[in-house]
Amino acid sequence: GESVGLHLPTLSVQEGDNSIINCAYSNSASDYFIWYKQESGKGPQFIIDIRSNMDKRQGQRVTVLLNKTVKHLSLQIAATQPGDSAVYFCAENVQGGKLIFGQGTELSVKP
Amino acid sequence: ETGVTQTPRHLVMGMTNKKSLKCEQHLGHNAMYWYKQSAKKPLELMFVYNFKEQTENNSVPSRFSPECPNSSHLFLHLHTLQPEDSALYLCASSQRRSGSYNEQFFGPGTRLTVL
Repeated sequence: GESVGLHLPTLSVQEGDNSIINCAYSNSASDYFIWYKQESGKGPQFIIDIRSNMDKRQGQRVTVLLNKTVKHLSLQIAATQPGDSAVYFCAENVQGGKLIFGQGTELSVKP
Repeated sequence: ETGVTQTPRHLVMGMTNKKSLKCEQHLGHNAMYWYKQSAKKPLELMFVYNFKEQTENNSVPSRFSPECPNSSHLFLHLHTLQPEDSALYLCASSQRRSGSYNEQFFGPGTRLTVL
């Protein structure tokens, strides 16, 4: 399943499928990007980050892709599990160390 | 656990009350932040403290008053709040170094309801 971030704030996928969550960022000078996961009743939790001199970074079951040409960031989750159900935020680090957060996409995993 | 704790986790207050939110970080970081999270909206940065000095106040109304007595503790003092101030208030910390990146670690938040 795939979302387009601000235009589709919810994403529903079947357990075991891959998920793609998208984010459009605003500042071409942003040099660092983070994906956070926020479960109900909890604060945002760091998932993975990427610097602007990279276009791809992989973690455990997650991959972040960065396309600076179109200012687009995506989070791919492989073999999505019910425990992945949460709201996912992207954040861009602008000059001065300030993080600007996106609206968030709610991921719902159906068993 | 992220190493950032917040108390209380839930708070209900009237518009004439005075209350305080507390945040403590156990990560040895030098910067702390207050954010407001309202339903269906992005996180809104309220205040930033570097080495106990306030470096940013994001046009926050004066009914919110931050205090940072040391680099491990951060308070948000609340008085004469409005119902629209009801939200989740998140504290975060990071280690800010020249030329490095600003990964922030968040606490669980305080769910505030103003009646």
